[in-house]
Amino acid sequence: EVKLVQSGAEVKKPGESLKISCKGSGYTFPYYWIGWVRQMPGKGLEWMGIIYPDDSDTRYSPSFQGQVTISADKSITTAYLQWSSLKASDTAMYYCAKLGSSSWKEKFDYWGQGTLVTVSS
Amino acid sequence: EIVMTQSPATLSVSPGERATLSCRASQSVSSNLAWYQQKPGQAPRLLIYDASTRAAGIPARFSGSGSGTEFTLTISSLQSEDFAVYYCQQYNNWPPTFGGGTKVEIK
Repeated sequence: EVKLVQSGAEVKKPGESLKISCKGSGYTFPYYWIGWVRQMPGKGLEWMGIIYPDDSDTRYSPSFQGQVTISADKSITTAYLQWSSLKASDTAMYYCAKLGSSSWKEKFDYWGQGTLVTVSS
Repeated sequence: EIVMTQSPATLSVSPGERATLSCRASQSVSSNLAWYQQKPGQAPRLLIYDASTRAAGIPARFSGSGSGTEFTLTISSLQSEDFAVYYCQQYNNWPPTFGGGTKVEIK
């Protein structure tokens, strides 16, 4: 059974750093792109970027390039999303999700449960 | 960046009725389009991919059609568990993009 289990909710102050995680199991983790999707409060889904864990090839949507860093450690089948300096506007639910194959031209077929990030002074 | 436009924003339907949701792409995305369902407090769930292929475990009352720039998700007979928000997403052009969503509510 494919599972993506994300780390728990976070409350941070503006300017702080943060790294959230997504652990995959039930499939060959290195060989499927895994991505991140943002959902701001009461809003729709936004595609952020993806990583191919086997070689760490990482691609970002232009809207998120330079704003976040996506990484992965295939030895522990975990992907990460990190911020170096959080802003109040980063407050959102963040989902990790797995692509359906080794191509980026794929749907998200499995999703994590989401990690709520709240940034407030 | 391809803009995905979903209509209507909200659809009021009675249980047992048919629901038709639309998704339009600003340029052709071939058949590289997926539909997702999201219920309150839950993660999205894949319903349809490649425009018309149902994902594993998805009931036959959900069907997708279209190609190029015009796509439709049809729910043939709405059940109580189908009231949710539905998103389309293209994965043909970089970056992949989502539509703004259609909320299907009880009439």
